[in-house]
Amino acid sequence: AQKVTQAQTEISVVEKEDVTLDCVYETRDTTYYLFWYKQPPSGELVFLIRRNSFDEQNEISGRYSWNFQKSTSSFNFTITASQVVDSAVYFCALSEDNYGQNFVFGPGTRLSVLP
Amino acid sequence: ETGVTQTPRHLVMGMTNKKSLKCEQHLGHNAMYWYKQSAKKPLELMFVYNFKEQTENNSVPSRFSPECPNSSHLFLHLHTLQPEDSALYLCASSQGGGEHQPQHFGDGTRLSIL
Repeated sequence: AQKVTQAQTEISVVEKEDVTLDCVYETRDTTYYLFWYKQPPSGELVFLIRRNSFDEQNEISGRYSWNFQKSTSSFNFTITASQVVDSAVYFCALSEDNYGQNFVFGPGTRLSVLP
Repeated sequence: ETGVTQTPRHLVMGMTNKKSLKCEQHLGHNAMYWYKQSAKKPLELMFVYNFKEQTENNSVPSRFSPECPNSSHLFLHLHTLQPEDSALYLCASSQGGGEHQPQHFGDGTRLSIL
């Protein structure tokens, strides 16, 4: 069975603060993929990043960075110098089946960035 | 503008009504999905279609009936729904083919059952 945990239900920060969203996953497979999505109030889930289980290099994209650690089964997401537009629900997801289509999403973390 | 379009954006229906949700993708993808997003619950995968063939049905009640006439269009036919079916229904598409490609989502249809 696969499972994704996002322990932080809601986080509030003040603009320009850094914030880290936690994601912990469970899987018995050695090959799997991890994803992060952003869901703004409009409802559409926006794809942010895909990482496969063999690539543990951290990734940075602008103000976004991801820390993948297989030893702790975590794939955490950090936003540096947060902005009001970052306010959204963020979902971590895991895909491990052969077709790569049966995504399991975490419950999401609602981030509020206050001006 | 999203490459995945869902209509209607909002739908209110009684328990005895029959309605359909529509999803169209303009990304040239081969796989399409229906998800249900309820308040305070994780996103639930309902159905998966690959090249118009249904490959996944996650124990969804028969009052939800999907239809995929081609790789670009996906429907969800609704019949005799229950109040607990009120939720945001999201459609997604991906390239498919077993490469764990990211799924691209539409804005969703917010469904309210009276």
